[in-house]
Amino acid sequence: EVQLVESGGGLVQPGGSLRLSCAASGFPFSSYEMNWVRQAPGKGPEWVSYTSSSGRTIYYADSVKGRFTISRDNAKNSLYLQMNSLRAEDTAIYYCATDFGSGIFDNWGQGTLVTVSS
Amino acid sequence: ETVLTQSPVTLSLSPGERATLSCGASQSVSSRYLAWYQQKPGLAPRLLIYDVSTRATGIPDRFSGSGSGTDFTLTITSLEPEDFAVYFCQQYGSAPWTFGQGTKVEIK
Repeated sequence: EVQLVESGGGLVQPGGSLRLSCAASGFPFSSYEMNWVRQAPGKGPEWVSYTSSSGRTIYYADSVKGRFTISRDNAKNSLYLQMNSLRAEDTAIYYCATDFGSGIFDNWGQGTLVTVSS
Repeated sequence: ETVLTQSPVTLSLSPGERATLSCGASQSVSSRYLAWYQQKPGLAPRLLIYDVSTRATGIPDRFSGSGSGTDFTLTITSLEPEDFAVYFCQQYGSAPWTFGQGTKVEIK
């Protein structure tokens, strides 16, 4: 059974940093493309970032480009999102999700809440 | 960026009734790259349909998708109690991948 467990969320001041982690199990993580998707309260989801299975191909939404960095450690079955220069509008639940095929998110974690506020 | 607009915002129906949800795109969605997700309170979205009309693993056949170009529809033929939730459409035909704002299907 596919399991994705996010951690690392919390309350941070504007301009601060957080590093999210996603621990994967139940599937061959190193063969899967992965994404971070976020959802602000009461809003639709918003795709944030994508990484290929090897980590060599990476994409970002314009809203986070230059501030967020996606990475993965296939030896540890883990996905990461380093978030710097956080803004109030980054407040959301952050989900990691497997990529079934170039943008189809077929398995999601339970999410981790990031709140950016002073 | 392709903007997806869903209608209606809220759909009030009774169990057993048919639900028809619409998703309109600001530009043509290439190669039928449109998906639908269901989300219940406090849970992550769940993939229902991809490539406009292909049901994901384990999704019952009362859920069906149709459409092309800029107009897409999710149909639930006979609502079960567990189907009352929020539904999102999503396009993955052009970067950035985008979602609609959702349609809430509530019990009348």
